[in-house]
Amino acid sequence: AQSVTQPDIHITVSEGASLELRCNYSYGATPYLFWYVQSPGQGLQLLLKYFSGDTLVQGIKGFEAEFKRSQSSFNLRKPSVHWSDAAEYFCAVVRGSGSARQLTFGSGTQLTVLP
Amino acid sequence: EPEVTQTPSHQVTQMGQEVILRCVPISNHLYFYWYRQILGQKVEFLVSFYNNEISEKSEIFDDQFSVERPDGSNFTLKIRSTKLEDSAMYFCASLDRGPGNEQFFGPGTRLTVL
Repeated sequence: AQSVTQPDIHITVSEGASLELRCNYSYGATPYLFWYVQSPGQGLQLLLKYFSGDTLVQGIKGFEAEFKRSQSSFNLRKPSVHWSDAAEYFCAVVRGSGSARQLTFGSGTQLTVLP
Repeated sequence: EPEVTQTPSHQVTQMGQEVILRCVPISNHLYFYWYRQILGQKVEFLVSFYNNEISEKSEIFDDQFSVERPDGSNFTLKIRSTKLEDSAMYFCASLDRGPGNEQFFGPGTRLTVL
């Protein structure tokens, strides 16, 4: 069965530092992968997605992610974190086909940004 | 920019009562979803809906749950007899087409069952 693992439950970084959030997936075929961000009391906002082509994808808010098939990973990165990036980050993979295509989410990584 | 809306933002109910959570997906979208997130846990798929019928549902989506698209705009989730463990944030999402496309999420409804 398809699954997504986010090994880090909580990460703390200082403002201006670089960031990498890890995501590993288990999926038989080429996956469609997503990173969503959830601020407190808010819904889920898409940061970026990958489904084919260039394995390094750029997203909003200065985020990028790299798809590495050999490592079954899709890690999220940002070179310089801003205080407003404090939120919870979810990696997700689309499973199913046809009219289903539901998202399977990882358990999330809570990001704290220190001033 | 079009967005998914959900009402109410917070619903408090007594155990055993029926609740209806409402969503207005983006108007030209074809696929509709409900997810839930129990506090502190991951977001979980409940059900997908396409062409006026359920296309897939998870094991969470038992006989107490139902979905409906009563008109061209609303998409509802009904829980017939709420249980304490139904307390969660419920998210509606909609999708235009294509598995690689983005599902747009609403802001969620926080359901509290007392």
